[in-house]
Amino acid sequence: GEDVEQSLFLSVREGDSSVINCTYTDSSSTYLYWYKQEPGAGLQLLTYIFSNMDMKQDQRLTVLLNKKDKHLSLRIADTQTGDSAIYFCAESNTGGFKTIFGAGTRLFVKA
Amino acid sequence: NAGVTQTPKFQVLKTGQSMTLQCAQDMNHNSMYWYRQDPGMGLRLIYYSASEGTTDKGEVPNGYNVSRLNKREFSLRLESAAPSQTSVYFCASSELREGSYEQYFGPGTRLTVT
Repeated sequence: GEDVEQSLFLSVREGDSSVINCTYTDSSSTYLYWYKQEPGAGLQLLTYIFSNMDMKQDQRLTVLLNKKDKHLSLRIADTQTGDSAIYFCAESNTGGFKTIFGAGTRLFVKA
Repeated sequence: NAGVTQTPKFQVLKTGQSMTLQCAQDMNHNSMYWYRQDPGMGLRLIYYSASEGTTDKGEVPNGYNVSRLNKREFSLRLESAAPSQTSVYFCASSELREGSYEQYFGPGTRLTVT
């Protein structure tokens, strides 16, 4: 079945860039998402990319998609302590409202 | 708008007890979902409702039932709770936007079964 994998932890220093990586198995994935979960809260959509795009930039966030390798990454520039959270990679198919989530990467930002 | 609300926030049950988790959304979304979140396992879909009047099983439906009471409300019932159902439960709703279904999540219910 479909699967989404990501590493569980990442630690960076404040001001550095963070890169969170994700791989997925479903070659028919149409939309790939990054959600953020802060402590004690639900998930919130950060950004998404359509599968015919290679890159999407949104302020400090850059999403890169390598469709051949089924690899997605989220780069956060100038990481701040407020970026400390769990980041979930997710994918869905066109017209499919079922979304498959990865296990989440916990980002620690050291001051 | 309150978005997606869930009650209760916390609950402790004994093995064998039953309870219903409530979820409501005020965004007029057609689709609603129930997930559970366990450490290191991400979110797993329990049940979903594509539209009012329909419900379908997700990845881990055993031990749960759902009711889509109306367009706003989608409840999750544990008939006979087991320790394996200790988890954080999230309700979500979604809307179709540019061909993609963006999901909006509630704050979660932390359930412990002893």
